[in-house]
Amino acid sequence: GQQVMQIPQYQHVQEGEDFTTYCNSSTTLSNIQWYKQRPGGHPVFLIQLVKSGEVKKQKRLTFQFGEAKKNSSLHITATQTTDVGTYFCAGSNAGGTSYGKLTFGQGTILTVHP
Amino acid sequence: ETGVTQSPTHLIKTRGQQVTLRCSSQSGHNTVSWYQQALGQGPQFIFQYYREEENGRGNFPPRFSGLQFPNYSSELNVNALELDDSALYLCASSLAGILQYFGPGTRLTVT
Repeated sequence: GQQVMQIPQYQHVQEGEDFTTYCNSSTTLSNIQWYKQRPGGHPVFLIQLVKSGEVKKQKRLTFQFGEAKKNSSLHITATQTTDVGTYFCAGSNAGGTSYGKLTFGQGTILTVHP
Repeated sequence: ETGVTQSPTHLIKTRGQQVTLRCSSQSGHNTVSWYQQALGQGPQFIFQYYREEENGRGNFPPRFSGLQFPNYSSELNVNALELDDSALYLCASSLAGILQYFGPGTRLTVT
């Protein structure tokens, strides 16, 4: 079945440093979604990427979808303590039997030292 | 806030018991997906309900079952609870599976 791998598992940064997490799917995706989960919380939707090569920005966050629609990345510029949490990518495979079924990566836990 | 609610917030059950978790979807959404998130892991897809019918199932045994009601709210039922069923159970509301918004989850502990 479809697998989504995410690296790194952990990332510790000093406040102000940049952060990137990478996501790779074993199959071509119809779209990819990114979520943030704070400790003790639930996944909060950040963005959806649909088009090959798509790049979207949300303030300090930049999201990219690969040309082959099998990989994606999230880059945060000048991290802040409010960025702390686990970032998940979740892929959806249009060829699957479940419309909108999301396959999540393992997540990247980001800690930011002030 | 997404408008997706789940109840109860926390639950403690004994191995072998049965449990029912509930989810109210966001207004205008007709699809509810259920996920299990074990500690330190990403959410795993259990199944999805679209217009009151199951619309896909993940790798979970039949003792995991569900329902969706005419108002698109949903229930997740788990029979014969096992220790490994201890997890955060999340429902996600969407319009036909697109842009899924998660509820706060139900933390289930099986002892």
